[in-house]
Amino acid sequence: DGGITQSPKYLFRKEGQNVTLSCEQNLNHDAMYWYRQDPGQGLRLIYYSQIVNDFQKGDIAEGYSVSREKKESFPLTVTSAQKNPTAFYLCASSIRGSGELFFGEGSRLTVL
Amino acid sequence: AQTVTQSQPEMSVQEAETVTLSCTYDTSESNYYLFWYKQPPSRQMILVIRQEAYKQQNATENRFSVNFQKAAKSFSLKISDSQLGDTAMYFCAFMAADSGAGSYQLTFGKGTKLSVIP
Repeated sequence: DGGITQSPKYLFRKEGQNVTLSCEQNLNHDAMYWYRQDPGQGLRLIYYSQIVNDFQKGDIAEGYSVSREKKESFPLTVTSAQKNPTAFYLCASSIRGSGELFFGEGSRLTVL
Repeated sequence: AQTVTQSQPEMSVQEAETVTLSCTYDTSESNYYLFWYKQPPSRQMILVIRQEAYKQQNATENRFSVNFQKAAKSFSLKISDSQLGDTAMYFCAFMAADSGAGSYQLTFGKGTKLSVIP
């Protein structure tokens, strides 16, 4: 089955630690996105990539980093510089320019 | 920069009734797309419906239809014959069609939580 897989579903982190969220897709999509979802805030774009080996900052990129070494994979690292990392993180992919995003099931990060 | 506003944080509707969710947007772009996405309690978000701004005809997908008023920059979603499975967060989203204007980023509203009551 084609789709997007995010892992882990739940993650706990101590303050000061970096953590990496995985996102893999087998839809052959060029574009991939990371969104952060907080209650009452909607979805806010962290980073996006339209092609392998290229990515751009979204609206709230501070404290996050990404890589796009393979078309299928777009991991997100939440660094210790992110002041308020506890949130629900959604990965998505799309055919470039279509606007139809296919989402993963999300990863919930809690900082203890 | 584009903004998308959903003025109804929460709504409820009786099963089998019709409900309309509101969305307004602000943009200087002339060519763009508008979307409604649904996020059920299971959390996986899916596309409900899409509208191209250059099309005057309102998009329809089964029980879901939109009322697109370009001059008013309004894009409401109507759900007919509401079902329990329609219970979800609904997000309105905007995307400029020109790749130079944000490189195909979607801007989302803050969402409307819809509850369908049996």
